[in-house]
Amino acid sequence: NAGVTQTPKFRVLKTGQSMTLLCAQDMNHEYMYWYRQDPGMGLRLIHYSVGEGTTAKGEVPDGYNVSRLKKQNFLLGLESAAPSQTSVYFCASSSEDAYYEQYFGPGTRLTVT
Amino acid sequence: AQSVTQPDIHITVSEGASLELRCNYSYGATPYLFWYVQSPGQGLQLLLKYFSGDTLVQGIKGFEAEFKRSQSSFNLRKPSVHWSDAAEYFCAVDPTGGGSNYKLTFGKGTLLTVNP
Repeated sequence: NAGVTQTPKFRVLKTGQSMTLLCAQDMNHEYMYWYRQDPGMGLRLIHYSVGEGTTAKGEVPDGYNVSRLKKQNFLLGLESAAPSQTSVYFCASSSEDAYYEQYFGPGTRLTVT
Repeated sequence: AQSVTQPDIHITVSEGASLELRCNYSYGATPYLFWYVQSPGQGLQLLLKYFSGDTLVQGIKGFEAEFKRSQSSFNLRKPSVHWSDAAEYFCAVDPTGGGSNYKLTFGKGTLLTVNP
């Protein structure tokens, strides 16, 4: 089992460009999450999903969109990247019974210049 | 305001020494409480959890944590630290105590350095 994978691992964008981060999990988990991690700020929840076709806003959703068309995939989109979105992005998934035990991907380091 | 606080940004201990990492929360009701660990360059991993009952909970890798309601704290401890414990540690809460929440709120983390 690969667990949770994230694509790409690194990316550099110019201000105003768009991109999509892909998260995939092979554990048949219902719940999936996108976080951003910034120095001194811990992890902050961007968006999450409690099942295929559903999404909800987290703590810092502005400037991001998400989609969960398939149960195993959770996409995070940046329509017009800003320097403030420079961060490390983590995807996580969990089962419905143990939502608190989140399995994390390796992260995507995004730099917006 | 409701929050989870880790007062120590960075802690350095010698290998073999004991460790205590602090976590305080401020929520009306007792939340569900968790500790996660992030090794360098990796995602987070659940160390242990507290829902209710026995206030001392055991986790993986020899860690334990004690819930103290009177102090609104959930401190992480290890009797003897190994060099491989060097990592960042995050306290996390589910403020609803298992309600229809599905998500966690993380503290800002404590970076642990282990000296040989």
